[in-house]
Order: sequence, then C-alpha cells, then structure tokens
Amino acid sequence: AAGVIQSPRHLIKEKRETATLKCYPIPRHDTVYWYQQGPGQDPQFLISFYEKMQSDKGSIPDRFSAQQFSDYHSELNMSSLELGDSALYFCASSIGTGDYGYTFGSGTRLTVV
Amino acid sequence: AQKVTQAQTEISVVEKEDVTLDCVYETRDTTYYLFWYKQPPSGELVFLIRRNSFDEQNEISGRYSWNFQKSTSSFNFTITASQVVDSAVYFCALPHRLGYALNFGKGTSLLVTP
Repeated sequence: AAGVIQSPRHLIKEKRETATLKCYPIPRHDTVYWYQQGPGQDPQFLISFYEKMQSDKGSIPDRFSAQQFSDYHSELNMSSLELGDSALYFCASSIGTGDYGYTFGSGTRLTVV
Repeated sequence: AQKVTQAQTEISVVEKEDVTLDCVYETRDTTYYLFWYKQPPSGELVFLIRRNSFDEQNEISGRYSWNFQKSTSSFNFTITASQVVDSAVYFCALPHRLGYALNFGKGTSLLVTP
C-alpha cells in the first residue's frame, strides 16, 4: 500500500540558509500535517492543510511557511535556519479531520551546522 | 486544553517480562480519539491503535493490549512477554481539538534487554 512520502530523507544546511521539505500524502488523503521533533522530544505540531487551505496552526516559527498544492502534496519552507531547527520533521496525512487515523511519513532529518 | 501525560520517562525490562506503559489524558470533548504510536530507533512513527471514546472495551492484538478507562482518563498499553524488538519510544496522543492535529505525550522509552 502507498505510504506518505517525504523528501529528502536527510538534509544538511548551514545557518541562515533556506530549506524546503516535501511531503506526498497517501492518494485520496486531503489533509496534511507537519510536525517537528527535536532530539529526545515528542513531535510538536507545526501546521496543517485541508483541501489546499491552512486548517490549523501550531507552534510554527514565522521563519517557516508551508502550502499544499493542487495535487495535495505539501512543502515546508524554512528560512534563516538556526542551529535549533535541527530536528526530525514529520509529515502526516489523513482523510478529512483524521477521524480515520493519521499516517506518518518516515521523516526528514534536518541538520543545521 | 487537551493534554496527554506519560509519567514514565524510561522503563527497562528483561525479555519475556510483561510491561505496562501509562497514559493519562485531559480533554473537554465528550467524543474523542486516543492513539498510541511506536517510534523505534530508526525514527519512523508506527501506528499501533486508535480508540474511540465511546468504546471502552479493552483491545488485544497479539502481545499488545490496551486498557481504556474513561472514569480515570487513562489509556494504558501492556506488552506481554516483551521482546528485544519492542525496544522503542512509545507515544500516546490525542487530537488537540476533535478531528485536528495530534497532541503527543512526552513518550516512554522502553528498553528490553536479552
């Protein structure tokens, strides 16, 4: 069965650079969620999109932005990267509001040096 | 506000022991879902179970079982006859509003040694 695809799997960037993470949800899933998981931490919700519109917002820094495209894939854009942005970034998808569950991708490990 | 508390930070057991991971939650919703996820050392989040608040029956899946008690707002997870492959961080989660993004507990790191 198709899963949530995230790319790249690993990314190394320098401070003040920009990074773009991509997420391809399961076919027919119309909602995408982004989470950030720092070392030894629990995943923290950043932002979500339903039918290409922002549906909910968590603790997303102003330096980050995201969008969902017409094919339902989503991109998380991170600018002016800081050392503290080093984390595992997960994307999850669901049908509608998640009543039927959430499927997570394998994550993108971002290292800022 | 929706909140999930996993009081056990780390648990260490010897293979074949039974182990219970605790999860206590707070919610103002009358209808809600609760989740458990497993995060092995490789890092991915593996879905284990989703439980509707209307269904208080215990659930068993192989060596895994879940005890949902609405009266005490708990949704505990038991692994019977633990194995080394069960070593992982386990997260309990609750949508922060009905049907929205998940709020995770801090997780319990389980180490199963031979």
